[in-house]
Amino acid sequence: GDSVTQMEGPVTLSEEAFLTINCTYTATGYPSLFWYVQYPGEGLQLLLKATKADDKGSNKGFEATYRKETTSFHLEKGSVQVSDSAVYFCALSSGAGGTSYGKLTFGQGTILTVHP
Amino acid sequence: GAGVSQSPRYKVAKRGQDVALRCDPISGHVSLFWYQQALGQGPEFLTYFQNEAQLDKSGLPSDRFFAERPEGSVSTLKIQRTQQEDSAVYLCASSLGRGKRETQYFGPGTRLLVL
Repeated sequence: GDSVTQMEGPVTLSEEAFLTINCTYTATGYPSLFWYVQYPGEGLQLLLKATKADDKGSNKGFEATYRKETTSFHLEKGSVQVSDSAVYFCALSSGAGGTSYGKLTFGQGTILTVHP
Repeated sequence: GAGVSQSPRYKVAKRGQDVALRCDPISGHVSLFWYQQALGQGPEFLTYFQNEAQLDKSGLPSDRFFAERPEGSVSTLKIQRTQQEDSAVYLCASSLGRGKRETQYFGPGTRLLVL
């Protein structure tokens, strides 16, 4: 079945540091890939997505590239801010098993804390 | 514009009590999903509606869990005879279309604590 594995957290960085959160997946066919973010006290919201191989999703300075050869979708940001402190979830939607709709399979989440 | 709303935001139930959780999706969204999120974990799929039709309930943990969306808009997740292991955050999400490329918009969740 589908699965998503994220790097273990928590991750603690100083402001302006470079961020990488690793995400690898197992899926049938050609999934769409997503990064969702959950800020303290708020609901899940889409950060970025990519729907086919070699696509790059980007938003708010964050980027992730859909790498089919390594089944990865690593999240990066060149210079993090305190306001980026949140929980980050990698997710996929494969449409496998006849489910042509967008059922999401999530990773376990990575807690990011950025200090001034 | 209005996003996905859920009510109540918090619910404390005694073991064995029945609970009902409500989801108001974004107007016009065809697809509606329910997920369960245990503490420190990612959300896990429970069930999916396309308009009023429940097309997938493969993630419902037991027959104590029941969901409906009778008019293709508001949805209710009902848990009968709650157990302590039902304690979790229940998330509702909606999307405009039904494909795997669609962005899902999540509500704030209902935090259920079963004592």
